[in-house]
Amino acid sequence: DAEITQSPRHKITETGRQVTLACHQTWNHNNMFWYRQDLGHGLRLIHYSYGVQDTNKGEVSDGYSVSRSNTEDLPLTLESAASSQTSVYFCASSGVRDTQYFGPGTRLTVL
Amino acid sequence: GQNIDQPTEMTATEGAIVQINCTYQTSGFNGLFWYQQHAGEAPTFLSYNVLDGLEEKGRFSSFLSRSKGYSYLLLKELQMKDSASYLCAVTQAMTTDSWGKLQFGAGTQVVVTP
Repeated sequence: DAEITQSPRHKITETGRQVTLACHQTWNHNNMFWYRQDLGHGLRLIHYSYGVQDTNKGEVSDGYSVSRSNTEDLPLTLESAASSQTSVYFCASSGVRDTQYFGPGTRLTVL
Repeated sequence: GQNIDQPTEMTATEGAIVQINCTYQTSGFNGLFWYQQHAGEAPTFLSYNVLDGLEEKGRFSSFLSRSKGYSYLLLKELQMKDSASYLCAVTQAMTTDSWGKLQFGAGTQVVVTP
């Protein structure tokens, strides 16, 4: 069955370190998205991609970057982790009709 | 930009009906999604409305009024497992910049009591 996976599921890191969160989907979807979810804010879009070599900034992109070298993967990198980036991160992908399917999430703590 | 409002929390009794409202203001509207999210889990797709009217899927129904910028999710015959957060999300009219993107509300926590 097609799926979308994220790793690691939990991560603790220190301020200033570079962190990369992985997202892998086997739906063969062109569109992939990264969100963060914080209490009171719902899901907020960080970056998104419409296909290989395409990346775009979302509403909360500062301090984050993505790259898309193949259809299946969209890794999210925190260049220099800050405590404000402690959050739950969800990756999603979509094909036609905009319906997005979400990965299980990564809980990131920045100390 | 878009502004999406839904109540923070609702409580209902097992077997009852609950209606979760969502209002939105958007510069270009295409469709509206409802997702369910249990604590500690990923959001899962419930429904998608593009046209005005009611869409029914078993115990769950979703309604859309494009002219009023209003949607609701109706949960019937509530079960304990329906305790979750329900997220309203809108998608904009398809332009190069907006295609495929969703704007989410903050979510409504539904608590089902015995």
